[in-house]
Amino acid sequence: AAGVIQSPRHLIKEKRETATLKCYPIPRHDTVYWYQQGPGQDPQFLISFYEKMQSDKGSIPDRFSAQQFSDYHSELNMSSLELGDSALYFCASSLSGTPLGEQYFGPGTRLTVT
Amino acid sequence: AQKVTQAQTEISVVEKEDVTLDCVYETRDTTYYLFWYKQPPSGELVFLIRRNSFDEQNEISGRYSWNFQKSTSSFNFTITASQVVDSAVYFCALSEAWSEKLVFGKGTKLTVNP
Repeated sequence: AAGVIQSPRHLIKEKRETATLKCYPIPRHDTVYWYQQGPGQDPQFLISFYEKMQSDKGSIPDRFSAQQFSDYHSELNMSSLELGDSALYFCASSLSGTPLGEQYFGPGTRLTVT
Repeated sequence: AQKVTQAQTEISVVEKEDVTLDCVYETRDTTYYLFWYKQPPSGELVFLIRRNSFDEQNEISGRYSWNFQKSTSSFNFTITASQVVDSAVYFCALSEAWSEKLVFGKGTKLTVNP
């Protein structure tokens, strides 16, 4: 079965640079979630989209923005990168109307800011 | 506000021992979902179980079992006859019906020694 695809899997950037992370949900899934997991930390919810509209927002820095496109893939754009942005970024997808909570996680993108 | 507490930061056992990972949650919602995820050293989040707030039946899957008790707001996870491959960080998580985002506990790092 197709899973959530995230690209790139690894990314190294310098401070003050920008980064774009991509997420391709499971086919037919219309909802995408982004989570950030710092080293030794638990995953923290950043933002979610349903049918291309932002549906919920967590502790996402103003330097970050995200969107969902017509094909349901999503991109997380991160600007003015800081050392503290180094983390594992997970994308998850779900299908609206299915039992709540059935989120399927991608393998994550490991971002390192030097 | 929703909160998940995993009081055990690290647990170390010897292979074949049984081990229980504790999870206590807080929510004001009457409809919610509880989860356990496994995160091996490779970093991906592996879904183990999802349980809704109306289903207090305990569940067993192979060497894994889960004990859900609403009276104590706990959702504990037991691994029977642990194996080295069980070594990972285990996260308990909660989502409320009105918001599908997952709130994770801090995680319990389990080390199973041969």
